[in-house]
Amino acid sequence: AQSVTQLGSHVSVSEGALVLLRCNYSSSVPPYLFWYVQYPNQGLQLLLKYTTGATLVKGINGFEAEFKKSETSFHLTKPSAHMSDAAEYFCAVSDRSGNQFYFGTGTSLTVIP
Amino acid sequence: DAGVIQSPRHEVTEMGQEVTLRCKPISGHDYLFWYRQTMMRGLELLIYFNNNVPIDDSGMPEDRFSAKMPNASFSTLKIQPSEPRDSAVYFCASRIAGRHGEQFFGPGTRLTVL
Repeated sequence: AQSVTQLGSHVSVSEGALVLLRCNYSSSVPPYLFWYVQYPNQGLQLLLKYTTGATLVKGINGFEAEFKKSETSFHLTKPSAHMSDAAEYFCAVSDRSGNQFYFGTGTSLTVIP
Repeated sequence: DAGVIQSPRHEVTEMGQEVTLRCKPISGHDYLFWYRQTMMRGLELLIYFNNNVPIDDSGMPEDRFSAKMPNASFSTLKIQPSEPRDSAVYFCASRIAGRHGEQFFGPGTRLTVL
């Protein structure tokens, strides 16, 4: 069975500050891991994904995440927050088929000017 | 390129009525997914299709829910009869085989059942 835990349903950061959104997963097999972003009244957009290979993954809009197997974590970071980063962020894990997705409950990011 | 298209964007109906949600996946995508998003349960996978064939419908909550994909460019999710607890945002997503996990989501249909 697979599951995802996102610590902190709401995160606030100042503009220009580091963004850190936490995600821990549980999986009985090597997982695929993803971060999606959802802007108000829109669908989810893929930020980045880890399947195999390099554990530090770079995505769109300056975001990156590091797969740490020993910690079963896949935290999302961005060095400097921008106002346009305000959105809901979802971590997800899937099996190797890429079809059975399990999403976390989401983290709402607020950027303070 | 056009993304995943869903209609309607908003639907308000009364309990007991039939509701039909529609989805047009991205051309060339051979997987289609239906999700439901609520505050209480987050994002849940309801059903997915591969090459128009339903593969896994274990997430469909009740027999009141049904989904079809008559061709590669169209899918429907039907609720009959609808209940207030069905109120949610329903997302359709599609992807192409071989690009694991890169699902492309539509804008969603916000359903309100009174």
